Parts: sequence; C-alpha cells; structure tokens
Amino acid sequence: KAGVTQTPRYLIKTRGQQVTLSCSPISGHRSVSWYQQTPGQGLQFLFEYFSETQRNKGNFPGRFSGRQFSNSRSEMNVSTLELGDSALYLCASSSSGQAYGYTFGSGTRLTVV
Amino acid sequence: KNEVEQSPQNLTAQEGEFITINCSYSVGISALHWLQQHPGGGIVSLFMLSSGKKKHGRLIATINIQEKHSSLHITASHPRDSAVYICAVGRNTDKLIFGTGTRLQVFP
Repeated sequence: KAGVTQTPRYLIKTRGQQVTLSCSPISGHRSVSWYQQTPGQGLQFLFEYFSETQRNKGNFPGRFSGRQFSNSRSEMNVSTLELGDSALYLCASSSSGQAYGYTFGSGTRLTVV
Repeated sequence: KNEVEQSPQNLTAQEGEFITINCSYSVGISALHWLQQHPGGGIVSLFMLSSGKKKHGRLIATINIQEKHSSLHITASHPRDSAVYICAVGRNTDKLIFGTGTRLQVFP
C-alpha cells in the first residue's frame, strides 16, 4: 500500500514568487492536513481538507491557501513568498480525521532566497 | 506558556537504557499523538491515545486524562531509536497542537 506522497521534495524560490506543493494521500483516505515546521516555531497546523472542503484552518495569513480534488489529492499554495516561509511543509492523510490517526508524508523542504 | 509541554528537550542514553519522555497539556483533548521524526524530516505516527496505555514492540505510551499528562517509554533503547519525539494533541477538531519535541540520542 503506497504511503503519502509529497512533491517536490525540495524547492528553492525567490522572494515574491508563488509556490504550489502537492500531497497524494493514501488510497481511500479522505482527510488531508498540512503543517509547517520551522526551527523557531516548530510544527504548526495550516489547514485540513475533507471531501474537497476546508474543515479546519490554522492561524496563517491569507497568502497560504489550499484545495482538495475529487480524488483526495491536495495542493497548498503560498503566494508572495517571504524569507520566513522557508520551512519543511508536511502533509498527513487520514481516513476520516484524527479519530483514526494520521499517516505523514516525507515533506517538501522549501527555501526562499 | 505553551499548551503542550514536553520534557526533557534533549536526552542522551546508552544502548539498552530505559527511556521516558513526558508530555503535559493544558487543554481538553479528544486524542493525544506521539510522533517520531528522523533526520531528513519524515514523521511517523507511533501512537494515538485517548485513554489508558498502548504498547508496540519496545514502545509504550500511557495517558492520564485527569492529570493531563502522557508518557512515552522506550525499553532496551537502541541507536536506531535516535530521533525527535513529538507529542501532539487534538481537540474536537483536527487542528493538532504540537509540543516542541524531545531530541533523543542513543549511543552504542
């Protein structure tokens, strides 16, 4: 059974650009959550999608957005990149949300220069 | 004060030692998760607890809901257990709140 796949693994962008990250959940999982991990702030929740609807949202500016497709694959987008957006972005999938546990992807490491 | 506190922040051990990592939280929760992160970033979910105790191999996780406290124990530690262990709590939504992690190094 394939795990959670995140692409790309590494990314370097310039300030002001925008970026799109992709997460393919485990087959049959309908919930996808996104997290940002930085040395200063640790792991922080970005948002969660279930059946193409955003169900929960963390405390991030509107530059951070996401969506989920009918096949449960999810993308997150960050517009007008800032140096502080450099981080490891992780996604996790679950069959129905936290009550059933999560499987995490390997992450996308974004560097903004 | 963080809503989820872990201790210790750093831990070193000799192979074979019994290890305990603690997590305290200040909010009502519906579940508590223990996660393991190796260098390179990937996270593995070890346990999800809402009460009592769970065991998987050499790992044991316990939770005391009344005291808002959980512990992760590693018996007969091994160098491959070296990683960052993260406690996270979920409330009635799927918005996890994370502790800052415990960095464990096990030396042969």
